[in-house]
Amino acid sequence: AQSVSQHNHHVILSEAASLELGCNYSYGGTVNLFWYVQYPGQHLQLLLKYFSGDPLVKGIKGFEAEFIKSKFSFNLRKPSVQWSDTAEYFCAVNAVNYGQNFVFGPGTRLSVLP
Amino acid sequence: GAGVSQTPSNKVTEKGKYVELRCDPISGHTALYWYRQSLGQGPEFLIYFQGTGAADDSGLPNDRFFAVRPEGSVSTLKIQRTERGDSAVYLCASSPDGLDRYTQYFGPGTRLTVL
Repeated sequence: AQSVSQHNHHVILSEAASLELGCNYSYGGTVNLFWYVQYPGQHLQLLLKYFSGDPLVKGIKGFEAEFIKSKFSFNLRKPSVQWSDTAEYFCAVNAVNYGQNFVFGPGTRLSVLP
Repeated sequence: GAGVSQTPSNKVTEKGKYVELRCDPISGHTALYWYRQSLGQGPEFLIYFQGTGAADDSGLPNDRFFAVRPEGSVSTLKIQRTERGDSAVYLCASSPDGLDRYTQYFGPGTRLTVL
């Protein structure tokens, strides 16, 4: 069975600090990878996605993620966080051979201090 | 345009009762997903519809849970004989056909509390 782990439960940063949130998955086949964000009081929304091609993908609001196949990782990064980035971040994996079944990680709560 | 909507936003029920949760997907989206999210956890896949049929129901925890999508748009998640452990936020998402079919658009969720 597939699983997704996210290394940090809660990350606290000051504004302008750099961010890296870890995501690892367990599945040896072809995968589609996603990061979703949930701002306080709002719906889950897609931040970025990787299907194939360039392993470095750019998303909205200055976020990017790098797929490293050998490490089964898809870490999320942002060079300089803002207070408005305070949210819960979820990594999700879709194993291509499993159709449209998505497995989400437990989430990382990011708090950015002004 | 209108996003995914879910009703009710909150539902409080007593142990043993039957509940129905409704999801209105984005118009034209053929795929519809149900997830359950417990406190401090990520969304847990329950079931996925492609059109009217359940393409994958492997995430339904037991036979007390059932979902339908009779006309390929609105879906209802039905829970019989509710238990306290069913308390969670139930999320619905939809996605279109084609190249964007893996992008899910989520609704606000229904918070179910079983007393």
